[in-house]
Amino acid sequence: GNSVTQMEGPVTLSEEAFLTINCTYTATGYPSLFWYVQYPGEGLQLLLKATKADDKGSNKGFEATYRKETTSFHLEKGSVQVSDSAVYFCALSADTGGFKTIFGAGTRLFVKA
Amino acid sequence: DAGVIQSPRHEVTEMGQEVTLRCKPISGHNSLFWYRQTMMRGLELLIYFNNNVPIDDSGMPEDRFSAKMPNASFSTLKIQPSEPRDSAVYFCASSFDRVGNEQFFGPGTRLTVL
Repeated sequence: GNSVTQMEGPVTLSEEAFLTINCTYTATGYPSLFWYVQYPGEGLQLLLKATKADDKGSNKGFEATYRKETTSFHLEKGSVQVSDSAVYFCALSADTGGFKTIFGAGTRLFVKA
Repeated sequence: DAGVIQSPRHEVTEMGQEVTLRCKPISGHNSLFWYRQTMMRGLELLIYFNNNVPIDDSGMPEDRFSAKMPNASFSTLKIQPSEPRDSAVYFCASSFDRVGNEQFFGPGTRLTVL
């Protein structure tokens, strides 16, 4: 079945450091890939997405590229801020008779001033 | 649009009591999802409705949990009787079924069962 694996956290960085959170997936067909972010006390919200191979999703300085050859969708940001402290979830969605989304376990990011 | 609306935002109850959580999805969305989130088990999908019909309830933990969607604008998740291990944050999310469409999450209901 479909699955998502992302790096375990927590990840602790200093402000302005480079961020990478790894995500790999297993899926049949051609899934859409997503990164969601969850700030403390809130629900998940979409950060960025990509719907086909080689697409790059980007938002708020974050980027991720849909790599079909390596089945990966790694999240990157060149310079993190304290306000980026949150939990990040990699996810995929595919038409399996419905569009149930499969979420990774989440990676908690702490950014220190 | 107001987004996905959940009520109550917080619920504290005693073991054995019935708990009902409510959700209003975004207008026009045809899929609705109930999730549970805990530190120990992370984010778990409990049940998924499409066009008001339950499609996948394999995540519902046991018979104490039930969910309904009587119409396109309302859903409930009921726990009867509640137990302390049900304490968690429960999220409702909605989406429109199409390739590449994301889910929109509500703010969650924090349930504490004493």
